[in-house]
Amino acid sequence: GAGVSQSPRYKVTKRGQDVALRCDPISGHVSLYWYRQALGQGPEFLTYFNYEAQQDKSGLPNDRFSAERPEGSISTLTIQRTEQRDSAMYRCASSLKGARETQYFGPGTRLLVL
Amino acid sequence: GENVEQHPSTLSVQEGDSAVIKCTYSDSASNYFPWYKQELGKGPQLIIDIRSNVGEKKDQRIAVTLNKTAKHFSLHITETQPEDSAVYFCAASLAGKSTFGDGTTLTVKP
Repeated sequence: GAGVSQSPRYKVTKRGQDVALRCDPISGHVSLYWYRQALGQGPEFLTYFNYEAQQDKSGLPNDRFSAERPEGSISTLTIQRTEQRDSAMYRCASSLKGARETQYFGPGTRLLVL
Repeated sequence: GENVEQHPSTLSVQEGDSAVIKCTYSDSASNYFPWYKQELGKGPQLIIDIRSNVGEKKDQRIAVTLNKTAKHFSLHITETQPEDSAVYFCAASLAGKSTFGDGTTLTVKP
């Protein structure tokens, strides 16, 4: 069956622009997670949702970052006024239900801020 | 917050040998410890996990041990094969929030 999908796969933007990254979880998965992964490092937690409710956003670096999942399915991670330090791989994962279930990762969106 | 340290950062073994990767964590409340394998250009994929009420878990050639008192857990891969070559990440999780180690690059030489 279809796994987690993310779009776009690559995004190049200029400093100061806003970007929206989309995640489409596995159908029926209740929990959705956003991570940021720098080259040579492990994923860094950003935020997660159960259904449409944002359960924990403590990993969002600052108030330029926000995420939503309005209908409990597709999620969007938005970065406003992008900066060069925002350049990274942004990964989404979903799990059937709850924090201790297997998380299935998507292919990621590579963001480059010039 | 949680801090996870992973060692070694690189590991090279001969095909058929065993490989061991170790992680320590700082938050004693963490209760779920997954291990992921990440191949080049792909997202992490869960290979095994262990919950805090279990000390050891095995799945074919892969095993994980957890020492809650010492706050460390380890991944053991036996009879390694070239296709085991990848980056491996440990993580410590609590209430949906996972903290990952920095990864171990495993190379299995044929």
